[in-house]
Amino acid sequence: EAGVAQSPRYKIIEKRQSVAFWCNPISGHATLYWYQQILGQGPKLLIQFQNNGVVDDSQLPKDRFSAERLKGVDSTLKIQPAKLEDSAVYLCASSLVSTSNQPQHFGDGTRLSIL
Amino acid sequence: DQQVKQNSPSLSVQEGRISILNCDYTNSMFDYFLWYKKYPAEGPTFLISISSIKDKNEDGRFTVFLNKSAKHLSLHIVPSQPGDSAVYFCAASLFGGSNYKLTFGKGTLLTVNP
Repeated sequence: EAGVAQSPRYKIIEKRQSVAFWCNPISGHATLYWYQQILGQGPKLLIQFQNNGVVDDSQLPKDRFSAERLKGVDSTLKIQPAKLEDSAVYLCASSLVSTSNQPQHFGDGTRLSIL
Repeated sequence: DQQVKQNSPSLSVQEGRISILNCDYTNSMFDYFLWYKKYPAEGPTFLISISSIKDKNEDGRFTVFLNKSAKHLSLHIVPSQPGDSAVYFCAASLFGGSNYKLTFGKGTLLTVNP
């Protein structure tokens, strides 16, 4: 079974620029998550999709972050404009359904550095 | 307000000995707890979980214990191996009305010395 794929692996941009990350979940997984992991912290949920609908975006900074999941498969997360505090690893995860006993499977993440 | 706390940033043990990683939580409504393992430059990998209605779950060398009255869980690794060296995240699951959400601790870096 292929895992969660993310690209790019690394991205360096200057503040106020825009950036986009891509995620391809495990085939058949209905639920997709985007997390932000700041150095020294645990992953923090930004947004959760069930198929192509948003079920939780309460911690997404909507003035600068946006995400979409077209056709219920791939997803993109965008930051525009980026701030210094956005430097982090952005992790995508997927699970079969959003039930508590279904573990989430993570991709290797995109490490974003803001100069 | 940190609902899931891992108070030990790091732990060092000798190969063959027991590793015990601890996690405390504040929200009694959490219904499932999970441990994830993370190697550098890789995403977290699911390791083991436990339902809030149980007090122990075992999978090979890994055992998770849950003490609900103390709001405390621990992960035991016996015997520890050098390949177990990684960051371990404790996570708790909570149903928020329309979805289950995971809250992670800050992680504990385990180093197993040969």
